[in-house]
Amino acid sequence: QQQVKQSPQSLIVQKGGISIINCAYENTAFDYFPWYQQFPGKGPALLIAIRPDVSEKKEGRFTISFNKSAKQFSLHIMDSQPGDSATYFCAASANTGNQFYFGTGTSLTVIP
Amino acid sequence: NAGVMQNPRHLVRRRGQEARLRCSPMKGHSHVYWYRQLPEEGLKFMVYLQKENIIDESGMPKERFSAEFPKEGPSILRIQQVVRGDSAAYFCASSPHRDQPQHFGDGTRLSIL
Repeated sequence: QQQVKQSPQSLIVQKGGISIINCAYENTAFDYFPWYQQFPGKGPALLIAIRPDVSEKKEGRFTISFNKSAKQFSLHIMDSQPGDSATYFCAASANTGNQFYFGTGTSLTVIP
Repeated sequence: NAGVMQNPRHLVRRRGQEARLRCSPMKGHSHVYWYRQLPEEGLKFMVYLQKENIIDESGMPKERFSAEFPKEGPSILRIQQVVRGDSAAYFCASSPHRDQPQHFGDGTRLSIL
């Protein structure tokens, strides 16, 4: 059973465009939602994270939007660049738990 | 400040052999997590350890797999009598406290011949 559902599986965006990746969850105990970026042959790197007490968090070109009532959160990459081409994973964890639950990943390709 | 170090980066084993994967957490981190990643899939939790103790092994197969995090030295994920289905990338993550962000190593890619 997939605790965190992620879409789309792959995404192609023109340079300068906005990349949007969506995730949904069911477990209301989740209270921490990080996004990870992974390049081929590398481990996931923490990109940005949010807790449910805020609806949006922005760091540079990366923004997380969080909708607690809908149990959805999304990653927006503004002014997408070819260097952003990577696989992105959303994740969720509960303060009472011991693990992160990962989405299945989105392969982003930014074309020049 | 070195990140999470995993070795070896690539490991090839024949069916029936043992695989030992090592993970040195970031300095100051006493919480270690192991995940497995299959191609085109996300990471699946295996086990969570805190110095000398296994806290949660709910994601680890009951047979052939074991993990340890001794007082001195790296955390070890051991897979005995490997089978083809064990082929995957195994990632280790560490954090300073349980509910803090996890930082990942670059993984060990295990191939079973």
